[in-house]
Amino acid sequence: GQNIDQPTEMTATEGAIVQINCTYQTSGFNGLFWYQQHAGEAPTFLSYNVLDGLEEKGRFSSFLSRSKGYSYLLLKELQMKDSASYLCARKDGDYKLSFGAGTTVTVRA
Amino acid sequence: GAVVSQHPSRVICKSGTSVKIECRSLDFQATTMFWYRQFPKQSLMLMATSNEGSKATYEQGVEKDKFLINHASLTLSTLTVTSAHPEDSSFYICSARDRTSPEAFFGQGTRLTVV
Repeated sequence: GQNIDQPTEMTATEGAIVQINCTYQTSGFNGLFWYQQHAGEAPTFLSYNVLDGLEEKGRFSSFLSRSKGYSYLLLKELQMKDSASYLCARKDGDYKLSFGAGTTVTVRA
Repeated sequence: GAVVSQHPSRVICKSGTSVKIECRSLDFQATTMFWYRQFPKQSLMLMATSNEGSKATYEQGVEKDKFLINHASLTLSTLTVTSAHPEDSSFYICSARDRTSPEAFFGQGTRLTVV
């Protein structure tokens, strides 16, 4: 497999910041996606990184280090609606995505 | 963003029957569509890659005779679960790629329950 590793669960309070780490095998790497998935629903796109560095999009930012096989998703100013599963997905070749097991984030008041 | 419509959203069927799930790209042409399966509290597992006008490419361990995939047009792919058994109960999700974007757009998913 692609050995995509991310923590199983994280808990944080409303208004706080949470960082979800993802590591993956670098061989054949062609891009890194982050998706949000609420229970019983399909994933929704959050970010895509193909070059090293930080991509900021509102309250969500994503970072990539290709040499280290490492990415993180940063969620700022957490809101209750951010409680969901966050999936790290590695793009192999032209279009195939391999998903990590997902990180369940619980936001508490 | 692009819209992918998946139907039905939920289906319950008897063991031994077949179920067809449709995946449509509504506002773009999808030369490639993907079918995933997701068991509770697990991640998405790619089942097969479907290219318009050609046979699907199945991932290792996925039975092509049990999970029939047809991608007859640039906007429609179907997945038929044949002779369904309770262990096939799962959340099935399709995604489609617009050739102009690296992003794959997901359908709403289909919750299949085999009784």
